[in-house]
Amino acid sequence: SAVISQKPSRDICQRGTSLTIQCQVDSQVTMMFWYRQQPGQSLTLIATANQGSEATYESGFVIDKFPISRPNLTFSTLTVSNMSPEDSSIYLCSVEVGPSDEKLFFGSGTQLSVL
Amino acid sequence: AQKVTQAQTEISVVEKEDVTLDCVYETRDTTYYLFWYKQPPSGELVFLIRRNSFDEQNEISGRYSWNFQKSTSSFNFTITASQVVDSAVYFCALKERTGNQFYFGTGTSLTVIP
Repeated sequence: SAVISQKPSRDICQRGTSLTIQCQVDSQVTMMFWYRQQPGQSLTLIATANQGSEATYESGFVIDKFPISRPNLTFSTLTVSNMSPEDSSIYLCSVEVGPSDEKLFFGSGTQLSVL
Repeated sequence: AQKVTQAQTEISVVEKEDVTLDCVYETRDTTYYLFWYKQPPSGELVFLIRRNSFDEQNEISGRYSWNFQKSTSSFNFTITASQVVDSAVYFCALKERTGNQFYFGTGTSLTVIP
């Protein structure tokens, strides 16, 4: 298993500002994933963060809006830039334990509200 | 096309009733993995179970049981003698052997009424 610490747990931000979310894992993992869960919706993958390379973004998400850092095998950050109310969501960091025992473990999430 | 379908948006049951949450998936891979996650009001996603496509044996864990049917591409989740603490949103997910992405259903919100 993996223990994932994510912070902040929640924040209320003003339009036009940026917020950086941190994710710390208790073990070394190759890939870390960032998901967004809009109110009442399912999880949508934003990007996959690999250590030592650029993050891979899914359709509809761009690096300028969601820059990601992955400085080592246990840590990653996601920044939500130039926020608008439409960015109000839960943002979740996750890691996969595998390949022989593939499971996706999640951090506790960051509840973001943009005014 | 939606790879994971959870047709039930919301379910309410009275405590001690049994409840089944449906999940239908779609994939062309012969090897894949199915999951159920629980998201209580606190927001954290809790892993419940993972099944491999080549293992159709049903599984029981306490009050939880899972029925995997490849013939109907379904992976249903039953809670027996439901309790108020079971109130949460439950997500079914699929991971294909090819690729890294997990595909989540839209979730079923379960409310257990005392």
